[in-house]
Amino acid sequence: AQSVTQPDIHITVSEGASLELRCNYSYGATPYLFWYVQSPGQGLQLLLKYFSGDTLVQGIKGFEAEFKRSQSSFNLRKPSVHWSDAAEYFCAVGAQSNYQLIWGAGTKLIIKP
Amino acid sequence: ETGVTQTPRHLVMGMTNKKSLKCEQHLGHNAMYWYKQSAKKPLELMFVYNFKEQTENNSVPSRFSPECPNSSHLFLHLHTLQPEDSALYLCASSLRLAADNEQFFGPGTRLTVL
Repeated sequence: AQSVTQPDIHITVSEGASLELRCNYSYGATPYLFWYVQSPGQGLQLLLKYFSGDTLVQGIKGFEAEFKRSQSSFNLRKPSVHWSDAAEYFCAVGAQSNYQLIWGAGTKLIIKP
Repeated sequence: ETGVTQTPRHLVMGMTNKKSLKCEQHLGHNAMYWYKQSAKKPLELMFVYNFKEQTENNSVPSRFSPECPNSSHLFLHLHTLQPEDSALYLCASSLRLAADNEQFFGPGTRLTVL
């Protein structure tokens, strides 16, 4: 079955520290991979996406993610978090053959001052 | 207004009420979506419209009734809801109906059913 797993419901990180949010997927086709962010009271915003090519992709707000096919993972990273990064982060998977995305349940990022 | 707007932002209704959620996109997109977002659960795709035509109804109960009068507007009509329908309802749009198209989301309507 197709699925996306975000193992961490919450993550707490100190401001200025590095961040890695995990995403694992199970998908039959070659996947399209996405990370979206939802700030409090807002809709989701696309951070970055991977379709093909270089497995390390850069996104907005200083985020990057690395596609590892052998591990079926697409982890999101940021070298130094800011208080404004406090939000919920969603990983999603899609494919050329199907417009519907499969979503993870989200990881809530809490920033300690 | 730019992007995707949703009204109202908050709605409290009884189980016998009828209400409607409104979504408007100012992006010139052709595909529009309704999602249900519940805490600690993945987003649930409810309905999809492409060029005003409904292309998806993911086994959504008939107490939810969508309407898409044109490519810019999307409604979700609510009738005799249940308390478990309380959630954040998100509208989204994309230029084309394809997985490689970025979806742009509105801020959502927080619905509480008493």
